Amino acid sequence: QQQVKQSPQSLIVQKGGIPIINCAYENTAFDYFPWYQQFPGKGPALLIAIRPDVSEKKEGRFTISFNKSAKQFSLHIMDSQPGDSATYFCAASRAGNEKLTFGTGTRLTIIP
Amino acid sequence: DAGITQSPRHKVTETGTPVTLRCHQTENHRYMYWYRQDPGHGLRLIHYSYGVKDTDKGEVSDGYSVSRSKTEDFLLTLESATSSQTSVYFCAIRQGDRDYTFGSGTRLTVV
Repeated sequence: QQQVKQSPQSLIVQKGGIPIINCAYENTAFDYFPWYQQFPGKGPALLIAIRPDVSEKKEGRFTISFNKSAKQFSLHIMDSQPGDSATYFCAASRAGNEKLTFGTGTRLTIIP
Repeated sequence: DAGITQSPRHKVTETGTPVTLRCHQTENHRYMYWYRQDPGHGLRLIHYSYGVKDTDKGEVSDGYSVSRSKTEDFLLTLESATSSQTSVYFCAIRQGDRDYTFGSGTRLTVV
């Protein structure tokens, strides 16, 4: 049973466009939702995270939108650049549980 | 990467042989994790540790064992490697409240 569903599996966007990656979760006890960015040959690295008491969080060109009633959250990348080409993972965790549950990942390619 | 070292970085082994992967941290973090990454499956938790000699299973623990005899080292062992265990293995530590820092990974091929 996959607790965090991520889409799309891959995404190609032109430079300057706004790629959007979506995630949906099932467990309403989840209360922390991070996004990780992974470049080839490297481990995933924390990009941005949100808690369900806010509907949006921005850090530079990266924005998380959160819809608690729909149990969905998404990552938007403004003014995307070729250097943003990477695999992106959404994740979720809940208080009192030491484990982080990941989505299946989205391979993003930004073409010049 | 925040003082996390995985070794080896690459390994090719034969079916049926034992394999041990090592994760070493230098920052005295309590929680350590082993994940495997496979296309279409993302990152799946194998085992994790919440202290010396304290470990627990993740969602894909069959065929794997772990040990943590020192705070800084978390070992993942494949007792008898199978082709289905060909994967990229990542170690992670938990920093702060909920954030993870990952190592650079070990690419394991079982032939």
